[in-house]
Amino acid sequence: KNEVEQSPQNLTAQEGEFITINCSYSVGISALHWLQQHPGGGIVSLFMLSSGKKKHGRLIATINIQEKHSSLHITASHPRDSAVYICAVRTLRGSQGNLIFGKGTKLSVKP
Amino acid sequence: ETGVTQTPRHLVMGMTNKKSLKCEQHLGHNAMYWYKQSAKKPLELMFVYNFKEQTENNSVPSRFSPECPNSSHLFLHLHTLQPEDSALYLCASSQDRARDTQYFGPGTRLTVL
Repeated sequence: KNEVEQSPQNLTAQEGEFITINCSYSVGISALHWLQQHPGGGIVSLFMLSSGKKKHGRLIATINIQEKHSSLHITASHPRDSAVYICAVRTLRGSQGNLIFGKGTKLSVKP
Repeated sequence: ETGVTQTPRHLVMGMTNKKSLKCEQHLGHNAMYWYKQSAKKPLELMFVYNFKEQTENNSVPSRFSPECPNSSHLFLHLHTLQPEDSALYLCASSQDRARDTQYFGPGTRLTVL
């Protein structure tokens, strides 16, 4: 079992729908990242958070440290949001924790 | 030019070839990383360099050999690879090793025949 699990693996939505992607982890962390990977391969960092909630445009990320769970929400989804969304956690192991990645959630937003 | 660039974007090589992947960052960062992304698997950290010194080798086979001549450039030298090494190889950089957001390059899609 991976230390970082994402659900769902694949998600298809209609344009305008509210989308939620979930991430659960089983290790102690200092921070959690949400990343976006477009079909060409390039990865963009969306959020880094260690508590509470962050918002950027139509994207909202939340984290519950006690429950070891984070969600990424997309409001008013658009076809250009189609991408793979990856959750990664920075572990507390060692003096400089590494990033451990989930397998990603492939989102497809239909017009 | 800004951000993190990688060349080549696509590479096809035979098992007996020797090739190199190049990564360059124009962000003034001190830490650089190589990752491997295989189909249906999470990103795997391969190597970490901090201030040009290798600080992590994540049990990577010796047929992959990294080189960091300065804090802006990172290479991955490849020799006698196996077909299972076919993957997307991503370079990233961050201001420092411990806490900062990592910025990724576009990746090199490698196919080993």
